[in-house]
Amino acid sequence: DAKTTQPNSMESNEEEPVHLPCNHSTISGTDYIHWYRQLPSQGPEYVIHGLTSNVNNRMASLAIAEDRKSSTLILHRATLRDAAVYYCILPGNRDDKIIFGKGTRLHILP
Amino acid sequence: DAGVTQSPTHLIKTRGQHVTLRCSPISGHKSVSWYQQVLGQGPQFIFQYYEKEERGRGNFPDRFSARQFPNYSSELNVNALLLGDSALYLCASSLARDRKNQPQHFGDGTRLSIL
Repeated sequence: DAKTTQPNSMESNEEEPVHLPCNHSTISGTDYIHWYRQLPSQGPEYVIHGLTSNVNNRMASLAIAEDRKSSTLILHRATLRDAAVYYCILPGNRDDKIIFGKGTRLHILP
Repeated sequence: DAGVTQSPTHLIKTRGQHVTLRCSPISGHKSVSWYQQVLGQGPQFIFQYYEKEERGRGNFPDRFSARQFPNYSSELNVNALLLGDSALYLCASSLARDRKNQPQHFGDGTRLSIL
């Protein structure tokens, strides 16, 4: 199974950039890296995904290592509303490859 | 545009009962997936339906079943409820069957409590 490893929790100050790491050393060549976040009392929210190149959208940036064994979600300027659990996953088309794990709980300090 | 909607938002049942949870996907989305999320854990995959057929099943007992209707809405059924079935049940929709390159859009879930 292509699993991911993330820190249990991280803290950041408001209005500063946040770098959330994810390790996926057993990633296969066709696995996309997806990031979701879950705010309290809500369902997960799609953030970004990518295969090889770095990706940017209005919410965040995804930096993917050259060997693809790790990636970093970058929130350019954290706000209090970014406090959430962030999940890095490698969703596959095999039923046993949809593994969310516990994610990283991000705390934002005002 | 309306997002994924789930009903009911909360439900209380007793052991041995049966429950039906409902999900309406985003308009135009043909794939619906169901997840169970126990407190403190990430979502766990239960089923994927695409074009009204089951396309994926996670490691859940046969007490769990689902179906998808011609309008792509979906129901999750759980029979013979156990205390351990208490969880947040999430529905997610996406445009296509492929999971690798398709973002999923989640509803806010149904909170099921078993007494």
